[in-house]
Amino acid sequence: NAGVTQTPKFRILKIGQSMTLQCTQDMNHNYMYWYRQDPGMGLKLIYYSVGAGITDKGEVPNGYNVSRSTTEDFPLRLELAAPSQTSVYFCASSSRGQGGYTFGSGTRLTVV
Amino acid sequence: GQQLNQSPQSMFIQEGEDVSMNCTSSSIFNTWLWYKQDPGEGPVLLIALYKAGELTSNGRLTAQFGITRKDSFLNISASIPSDVGIYFCAGQGYSGAGSYQLTFGKGTKLSVIP
Repeated sequence: NAGVTQTPKFRILKIGQSMTLQCTQDMNHNYMYWYRQDPGMGLKLIYYSVGAGITDKGEVPNGYNVSRSTTEDFPLRLELAAPSQTSVYFCASSSRGQGGYTFGSGTRLTVV
Repeated sequence: GQQLNQSPQSMFIQEGEDVSMNCTSSSIFNTWLWYKQDPGEGPVLLIALYKAGELTSNGRLTAQFGITRKDSFLNISASIPSDVGIYFCAGQGYSGAGSYQLTFGKGTKLSVIP
């Protein structure tokens, strides 16, 4: 049982480049989330989805975009990478919204 | 956005000692959650609390949902080296349209001295 799978694990981007962080879950969860974690800080919600075709902004959405075409996949897109987007990104999912989330192991992104 | 105050920021304890950490908020939450994060990994759920006043145990871990719904604590008894990591509290509230959102504390970094 894979749970939540994130790829890649590490990436270095140059300023202005774009990339997509992939997230896939095999638990048939409706709810999916993207968080970023900066050193010494808690996790901040970027975007979330309550089901296929539905997405909404979280606390820190600027500079990111998401899509949810299937229940399993919830990719996060960075269009014009900036140094402020250097962070560790976590994808998570849950079956019913309330209660605990299952997190992936993260993508460490550095923008130089 | 909502703010959670988690304390202490870090702790150094001797193996075998008990540990206590807590979270407070200016907002009311429906659910309190405690997560542990190991280096290079995502957070893993330890305990979920759904009712004010609820006291729940998971092995050597005990957590409580405060009566005011604005705070929670986590205790770890008889600490062992594998307890090392960062512990996060998270408050969850209903944000409308069938959606719940988590607000995370900044974490408590626990170091255990053998």
